[in-house]
Amino acid sequence: DAKTTQPPSMDCAEGRAANLPCNHSTISGNEYVYWYRQIHSQGPQYIIHGLKNNETNEMASLIITEDRKSSTLILPHATLRDTAVYYCIVWLAQTGANNLFFGTGTRLTVIP
Amino acid sequence: SAVISQKPSRDICQRGTSLTIQCQVDSQVTMMFWYRQQPGQSLTLIATANQGSEATYESGFVIDKFPISRPNLTFSTLTVSNMSPEDSSIYLCSAGTVPRELFFGEGSRLTVL
Repeated sequence: DAKTTQPPSMDCAEGRAANLPCNHSTISGNEYVYWYRQIHSQGPQYIIHGLKNNETNEMASLIITEDRKSSTLILPHATLRDTAVYYCIVWLAQTGANNLFFGTGTRLTVIP
Repeated sequence: SAVISQKPSRDICQRGTSLTIQCQVDSQVTMMFWYRQQPGQSLTLIATANQGSEATYESGFVIDKFPISRPNLTFSTLTVSNMSPEDSSIYLCSAGTVPRELFFGEGSRLTVL
């Protein structure tokens, strides 16, 4: 079962930063936080992942709280193409660990 | 990054028939999964495809209904057996090498009449 809680929907103005929260209060010490997004009718797209430290790549930044019980995905300058369902996933990420479960995600709508 | 190809991309099938979906990865991966996504819903994990052995199924999914093969590190198939309209969904293959990211195919959209 999914181990994360996300708001069902959010709006963001085009050009502004989109901050998507995720609660994972039961995360264990060796579980990673992964973020994916799914644009309508496409397969999920990997965005970013992290264990303890904040991470940044060309798509987004991931901020993980010190106690690791929550995280925030930041899209620094949202565009209309960022409209999608965003999934926060907690995953052990070890061979033989098959608990990669998707929750209900956050539907982000970027408004012109 | 890994590129995942699924065939067929879509199909319309008759009730009671079976359909096999293929998943090909362009590089060797340690993990492969199969998911189902019903209209308007999130992804539900069906099973982990294990190379050279029986797949590991999640609660609510059984081998007789969803037989899975994974003969090598780059290929897997999912069969949807004895289909009914309730099986109409998008079926997605994902693959990757831990602890890096998993990649997803574009899905196979199945409609059962």
